[in-house]
Amino acid sequence: GQSLEQPSEVTAVEGAIVQINCTYQTSGFYGLSWYQQHDGGAPTFLSYNALDGLEETGRFSSFLSRSDSYGYLLLQELQMKDSASYFCAPDYNTDKLIFGTGTRLQVFP
Amino acid sequence: DVKVTQSSRYLVKRTGEKVFLECVQDMDHENMFWYRQDPGLGLRLIYFSYDVKMKEKGDIPEGYSVSREKKERFSLILESASTNQTSMYLCASSSGSPGTLSYEQYFGPGTRLTVT
Repeated sequence: GQSLEQPSEVTAVEGAIVQINCTYQTSGFYGLSWYQQHDGGAPTFLSYNALDGLEETGRFSSFLSRSDSYGYLLLQELQMKDSASYFCAPDYNTDKLIFGTGTRLQVFP
Repeated sequence: DVKVTQSSRYLVKRTGEKVFLECVQDMDHENMFWYRQDPGLGLRLIYFSYDVKMKEKGDIPEGYSVSREKKERFSLILESASTNQTSMYLCASSSGSPGTLSYEQYFGPGTRLTVT
């Protein structure tokens, strides 16, 4: 299968900025999605990058560099409710998304 | 709003039983997926389908089968449940194709299956 790496855990305080990095396998790559999952909940879509650069949606931004096989999710003005797991999920010409093990973000007051 | 529903939130079955997990979506999506989620292992794709009566194996299809007789419904079948199939099962649906924003997947609430 395709290799996918993201940190297992990140901690931050309310109001801070946090960046969750993701590196993926290049072969057959189409684009990179990010999903959020709260404990006990279902994953929900946050963003998708097919082209290089930064996509901004409110407090969340996602970045992609195809040449580096790298992307990140940037969360600004952190709130307690942002405590969740975040998954990067590249899609490939194999017609499916690949989800990794996710990054657990804990936001402290 | 897209809605993906799953037949049960919690299910307890005995080893060797045949188990059916049902998933229904109401947005006329072409694509449907079954994942299982286990601590430390993330989401792993079991099977997916791009059209009625079509199915493709995911990364961990062993011990499972699927059925898609109607566009809105995708069923996961455990032919003979085993304790190592105790897990959270998540169904998802999407339209479009990989490489497009419309490939965004919408997830159901999940079924926590315990096999004893």
